[in-house]
Amino acid sequence: SQKIEQNSEALNIQEGKTATLTCNYTNYSPAYLQWYRQDPGRGPVFLLLIRENEKEKRKERLKVTFDTTLKQSLFHITASQPADSATYLCALPPTGNQFYFGTGTSLTVIP
Amino acid sequence: DVKVTQSSRYLVKRTGEKVFLECVQDMDHENMFWYRQDPGLGLRLIYFSYDVKMKEKGDIPEGYSVSREKKERFSLILESASTNQTSMYLCASSLYQGEEKLFFGSGTQLSVL
Repeated sequence: SQKIEQNSEALNIQEGKTATLTCNYTNYSPAYLQWYRQDPGRGPVFLLLIRENEKEKRKERLKVTFDTTLKQSLFHITASQPADSATYLCALPPTGNQFYFGTGTSLTVIP
Repeated sequence: DVKVTQSSRYLVKRTGEKVFLECVQDMDHENMFWYRQDPGLGLRLIYFSYDVKMKEKGDIPEGYSVSREKKERFSLILESASTNQTSMYLCASSLYQGEEKLFFGSGTQLSVL
């Protein structure tokens, strides 16, 4: 079955710096990959989708890259703010009708 | 915007009780899902449904059942609650199978004592 690993359980960075989160996967090559944000006690919220033929995708201060050779996606938040503190999940598209989610990386932006 | 509503934010039940978790979506989505989320284990799929009265098992269906009598409503049933079913339960929906993002509800934190 698909295995997804996110680089670390927790990441602390200083406000204004760039946060970089990693998602590695095994066993197959997905057509696309998604990133979600989850705040404590809430459900995940979709942020970005990047397709296999896209190297990079941007949305405001967010940037996602997708390297199908390395089987890795990087998620960057530039000029980070305390409001960016949350858990970020990567997800791979349906196989057998289900999404596979990573366990998430908890990001804390320190003022 | 799509709204996925879960009936309870917090629920406390006793071992052996039958528990109903309700989920309603307002955007005519075909697919609905029930996940549970536990620290260190991430999101695990319990059941999903791609049409009314249709259901498919996910990775961890044991001890659970589901009901989808209407398109907008997907219920998760714990037949006889056990302490190892203490968890955050998340309902989600998507428009159709394939390249579609999931819309999640706010979750129900269930404690089984």
